[in-house]
Amino acid sequence: QKEVEQNSGPLSVPEGAIASLNCTYSDRGSQSFFWYRQYSGKSPELIMSIYSNGDKEDGRFTAQLNKASQYVSLLIRDSQPSDSATYLCAVTSSRTNAGKSTFGDGTTLTVKP
Amino acid sequence: GAVVSQHPSRVICKSGTSVKIECRSLDFQATTMFWYRQFPKQSLMLMATSNEGSKATYEQGVEKDKFLINHASLTLSTLTVTSAHPEDSSFYICSATRGDTQYFGPGTRLTVL
Repeated sequence: QKEVEQNSGPLSVPEGAIASLNCTYSDRGSQSFFWYRQYSGKSPELIMSIYSNGDKEDGRFTAQLNKASQYVSLLIRDSQPSDSATYLCAVTSSRTNAGKSTFGDGTTLTVKP
Repeated sequence: GAVVSQHPSRVICKSGTSVKIECRSLDFQATTMFWYRQFPKQSLMLMATSNEGSKATYEQGVEKDKFLINHASLTLSTLTVTSAHPEDSSFYICSATRGDTQYFGPGTRLTVL
C-alpha cells in the first residue's frame, strides 16, 4: 500500500462544474496536508495547506480533512480550462524531517470548455 | 511570498561532462532543501534531502557520488550531476522549506547528448 494514494485519473469535468480530487494516507501520525498544482512541463506550486479536521476555503478551492478516515480532498468550484493540470497531494508526518512530505502520484484533471 | 529560484532553467551538455544546478530561496532562509527528479509523465521522485551545513541524505538507489549536493548557506543549495549520461536527462526540481511547507523552484531541464 502506498503511503499517499490518489486516483490517477484522468478526471474530466465540464467548465463551470465542481471538480473533486481525493487523497488517502496511511500514516495516522500525519499532521500537515498540502495540495499542489503542476502544469505540464512545470514545477509544482502550492495551492493550499490544511492541518485541522474540517474544511478550509480559499477562493474557488476548498480543502477537506478527515483524520479519522485518513482522507483529504480538494474541491474546485466553477472549474475553468486553466485548472487543467495534475494535482498532487502531500502529507507530512511528525516523525519525519520538517518539511519532508510524502507525495501522491497525482490526479490529472481536464476541464473541458 | 516564498520564492525559490533555480539556475539554469535549461541545459544541454555532452555525455561525460558535469552540470551544476543552483537552487536559491530568495525571500526566506531554508534550513532544508530537497532535490527531485521527474521523467515525462511520471511522478516526482525525491533524490535527496539537503541540510545547511551538513551532508545530504540520499534516497535509496540514488548515487551520492554521481549527484553531489552542497548546501553552503541558508539560501543556496547546489546539485552537481557528474559525468552525465543520456539516461540522466530529466527535469530536476528543488524545493525549499519554510516551516513545514515546501516551495518549489521552477525546475531545470537537463538534456545530455
